[in-house]
Formats: sequence, structure tokens, C-alpha cells
Amino acid sequence: QVHLQESGPGLLRPSQTLSLTCTVSGASLNGGGAYWTWVRQPPGMGLEWVGLIYHTGTTFYNPSLLSRISLSVDASKSQFSLTLSDVTAADTGIYYCARVFRQRGNDAMDVWGQGTTVAISS
Amino acid sequence: DIQMIQSPSSLSASIGDRVTISCRTSLNIHSYLNWYQQKLGKAPKLLIHAASSLQNGVPSRFSGSGSGTDYSLTISGLQPEDYATYYCQQSYSNPPSFGGGTKVEIK
Repeated sequence: QVHLQESGPGLLRPSQTLSLTCTVSGASLNGGGAYWTWVRQPPGMGLEWVGLIYHTGTTFYNPSLLSRISLSVDASKSQFSLTLSDVTAADTGIYYCARVFRQRGNDAMDVWGQGTTVAISS
Repeated sequence: DIQMIQSPSSLSASIGDRVTISCRTSLNIHSYLNWYQQKLGKAPKLLIHAASSLQNGVPSRFSGSGSGTDYSLTISGLQPEDYATYYCQQSYSNPPSFGGGTKVEIK
């Protein structure tokens, strides 16, 4: 059974850099028709896609975060990571990592981590 | 970017009711449309992929339909455990985008 677990600091100051890691168990990060993504959810609001990364290291980012975001993958540790620089209160929320599985050309987020809460406050 | 408009934003329904949630996209997404359920304090859960394919383990009272720019999620016979927020999401082009969500509440 595939399991994802987020980890990282829960509280940051404005302008600091957020670093989150997602540890994957029960599946290899190396292909197999899947790739990996981050989704966040501000308090009381809907879901916002953050970015995705393939096992090759190829990435796509939410255009609104392009200047501040970086994703990386370490298949040897079964981990992928998110770095978001110069955070503000608008980056507060729950951050989820998820597996994206492709079936018949359609990509769906079929396994999710439990989420980690990030608060930005001075 | 593809815009996703879900309606209604919330609804109240009784146990056993048939509930339909709509999702309209700003471009034809050729059925590259997924539906998720999120219960309070939990991660989203995939219900339907490719517009109408039921994810493994999801009860058959959930169904999806639609094509082009108009899609819907139907719950046939609402159960107590179905009270949640539902989101549509397009996977046709990057960036993937979600609808604003539909909160299903107890009537």
C-alpha cells in the first residue's frame, strides 16, 4: 500500500524560506506511470495546485509561485521536496503531497499525504 | 489557464436524496476531469477519474458524467458519511486547476 507523509516546520516568519519533504513508502519514485505533486489549502478555502515533479527531475510550477518555488526529488531516499522562498501570510495553510497516476492519458491524484500545517506569522 | 466553475457552492440534502454537483470549464478538456471528496480535517480522496471512471473502493452510488466543458458528479442515495466538500479538477493542461468546491450539508 502506498503511503505519503509530509514533514517540515509548522511556523515561519515572513520572508523566511519554507522547506517541506514528502516521504513515500510502498512505491518507487522512479516512474511506473506516476509522478509527484504538492497541493495547498489556505484556512477555510479551496485547493490550490503548487507544483509537480517527475522522477527525472522535470518540474512544472504554479505560475503565481514561479519566482519563489523549487521542487526536487531524491529517489534513493524515496523523498521529494518543496522549497518556497520569501514567504508571507498568504502562504499559510495545509500543504499536501500526492501521487499523480496516469491512466489512459488522464492524470489523477490517487494517493495523498495527511497534510502538514504551515503558519506564517511575525 | 483553464478556469473551473463549480455549482452550487453549497447545498443541503437529506439522507437518501439524489445530489448532483456541476463543474464547468473555460475550455474543452476532453473528459480529463477528476472528482475528489474532502471531509473536515482530512486530505482529499479521489472518487472519479477521467470524468466517469469510479476509483477502486469508492461506492457505486457515486457517478460522474459529462464531456466538453460540462461535467457532473451524482450521489444516488446520500449517506451520512457523504457529508463533505467535493472538488472537480482538470488534468487536460498545466497548470492543473480545481473548482472552488461544493459543500454538502445535512438538511
